[in-house]
Amino acid sequence: DAKTTQPNSMESNEEEPVHLPCNHSTISGTDYIHWYRQLPSQGPEYVIHGLTSNVNNRMASLAIAEDRKSSTLILHRATLRDAAVYYCIPDPMDSNYQLIWGAGTKLIIKP
Amino acid sequence: NAGVMQNPRHLVRRRGQEARLRCSPMKGHSHVYWYRQLPEEGLKFMVYLQKENIIDESGMPKERFSAEFPKEGPSILRIQQVVRGDSAAYFCASSPFAPQGTSMEQYFGPGTRLTVT
Repeated sequence: DAKTTQPNSMESNEEEPVHLPCNHSTISGTDYIHWYRQLPSQGPEYVIHGLTSNVNNRMASLAIAEDRKSSTLILHRATLRDAAVYYCIPDPMDSNYQLIWGAGTKLIIKP
Repeated sequence: NAGVMQNPRHLVRRRGQEARLRCSPMKGHSHVYWYRQLPEEGLKFMVYLQKENIIDESGMPKERFSAEFPKEGPSILRIQQVVRGDSAAYFCASSPFAPQGTSMEQYFGPGTRLTVT
């Protein structure tokens, strides 16, 4: 299984962009990169996923390095509601979509 | 469009009792996943089901735990003879069918918080 490395925590000011890094140097060529977040006392929430090229949706952008060994989740304008634990998860195509969750990055937003 | 529903949201059981956790996937989703989360930890995969089939139960404890996803009705995670170590948040997720070579996101319910006293 591909291993991921994320900072334990990050702080950001409200209304500023946030770049959350993830290292996944052992990822295979067919693994998608998924990002989820979990707000306190809630179920996880899907954020975004991609394979090789950068991806954008209404919540965030995902920048995937050319060598696919790392990716960055970008929140363009953080709000207090974005305070959560963010998880970067490779999706191995041969494992029946079994997501392996690490410890994630706790994002703290300062007003 | 209702999201994934789980009930009950909170469940208290005494040691030795049975716990039944229910999950209704999003409309149109045929894949259901169960995860367990201990306090201050990430989620741990338990089981992956499609209608009437268990696809992958490699994360399920071999004893006391079972899961089903019948043709009609919600998916059920059943824990027999609960012990204190079973206290955790149990999350269900669902996803639509993913064509070969693609990856689908999972949509999570609010979870059931099981407390064993």
